[in-house]
Amino acid sequence: DQQVKQNSPSLSVQEGRISILNCDYTNSMFDYFLWYKKYPAEGPTFLISISSIKDKNEDGRFTVFLNKSAKHLSLHIVPSQPGDSAVYFCAARDYGQNFVFGPGTRLSVLP
Amino acid sequence: EAQVTQNPRYLITVTGKKLTVTCSQNMNHEYMSWYRQDPGLGLRQIYYSMNVEVTDKGDVPEGYKVSRKEKRNFPLILESPSPNQTSLYFCASSLRRDIRGSYEQYFGPGTRLTVT
Repeated sequence: DQQVKQNSPSLSVQEGRISILNCDYTNSMFDYFLWYKKYPAEGPTFLISISSIKDKNEDGRFTVFLNKSAKHLSLHIVPSQPGDSAVYFCAARDYGQNFVFGPGTRLSVLP
Repeated sequence: EAQVTQNPRYLITVTGKKLTVTCSQNMNHEYMSWYRQDPGLGLRQIYYSMNVEVTDKGDVPEGYKVSRKEKRNFPLILESPSPNQTSLYFCASSLRRDIRGSYEQYFGPGTRLTVT
């Protein structure tokens, strides 16, 4: 059973609008969460992270929100740009230094 | 340029023929890790290493071996590859973690392995 879930395999958004990517997890021992972006034929690249003791972290156009009681986090991209089109992975770290990734969401930003 | 390199990038092999995928990083990172990516499953951690001579199993270690004799290198060894190990493999590295801290990982470009 997957401990980190991204229930939307794909998402299409118009350029300039907000993109919201969602992630749910089941393991309450996760203490750190990260978002990675992946382009075809490349390795994932780090985007933004959040500690479990916080509920929001912002970096430019990217904001991550964490709702611990709901075991849910989301990534907001505002405004969305065509270069944001990629696969986005949500990842969580457990106390034992193990990282668990979700299956990814493919974001398409339409011009 | 700071980077994680993997070799080879593509490999087609036959069942049972031992192979090694190399991984090297030039950032003096203590932590290194191997993942495999499969459709619908995301990235799953195979093994990780906190430092030289320190390795530990991830979620899917069966059929794989690793070694960490030098800080910069973390090879992945498949002693007897099987078709279910056909996958896209990524190596990653980062600064060492402490109990409350965590650092983003830098990923290599990936190695696409096909076992027939």
